[in-house]
Amino acid sequence: AQSVTQLDSQVPVFEEAPVELRCNYSSSVSVYLFWYVQYPNQGLQLLLKYLSGSTLVESINGFEAEFNKSQTSFHLRKPSVHISDTAEYFCAVTRSGGSYIPTFGRGTSLIVHP
Amino acid sequence: DTGVSQNPRHKITKRGQNVTFRCDPISEHNRLYWYRQTLGQGPEFLTYFQNEAQLEKSRLLSDRFSAERPKGSFSTLEIQRTEQGDSAMYLCASSPGQGAFSPLHFGNGTRLTVT
Repeated sequence: AQSVTQLDSQVPVFEEAPVELRCNYSSSVSVYLFWYVQYPNQGLQLLLKYLSGSTLVESINGFEAEFNKSQTSFHLRKPSVHISDTAEYFCAVTRSGGSYIPTFGRGTSLIVHP
Repeated sequence: DTGVSQNPRHKITKRGQNVTFRCDPISEHNRLYWYRQTLGQGPEFLTYFQNEAQLEKSRLLSDRFSAERPKGSFSTLEIQRTEQGDSAMYLCASSPGQGAFSPLHFGNGTRLTVT
């Protein structure tokens, strides 16, 4: 079975500062990796995903994540955050070739201060 | 694509009562998932349907919980004899079923409060 660890439950940061949200996974087989974002009073929505190929993936709103197989990590980064990025961020993993059931981390609350 | 719809948005019930939630997935999505989320935690898998077949259930899902997806369209999740520990946000998600790499599309959830 796979598992996901998000070590930081809360990350406060000032507007326009860079941010990194950490995600580590555990799996004995190849995986697909996802970041979801949940804005206040809204459902989770996909932010970006790693399936194969280039280890660096980007979202349309400036976030990026890098798949590091040796460190079993998929950290999310943004070089300059905005107030509107305040949200809960969830890392998720699905085993390739296995059951189609994503396992989620506990989430990291990103709080952007003006 | 009208999104995943969940009803009701909120449900307050007394301990021991039965409750039922409904989820309408994105049309033509053949996979449907139920997750539960409590404060400070990520979504926890409850059960999963491929069309009308319930393919997997979590060990977390006690026999008080039952889910159905008749005709492979909408789904219902029923909790019988609710307990205070059942208080949580119940999330429904669907996916088009194109492999393990298909991302999930989530509804806004049903918040259950058991008093």
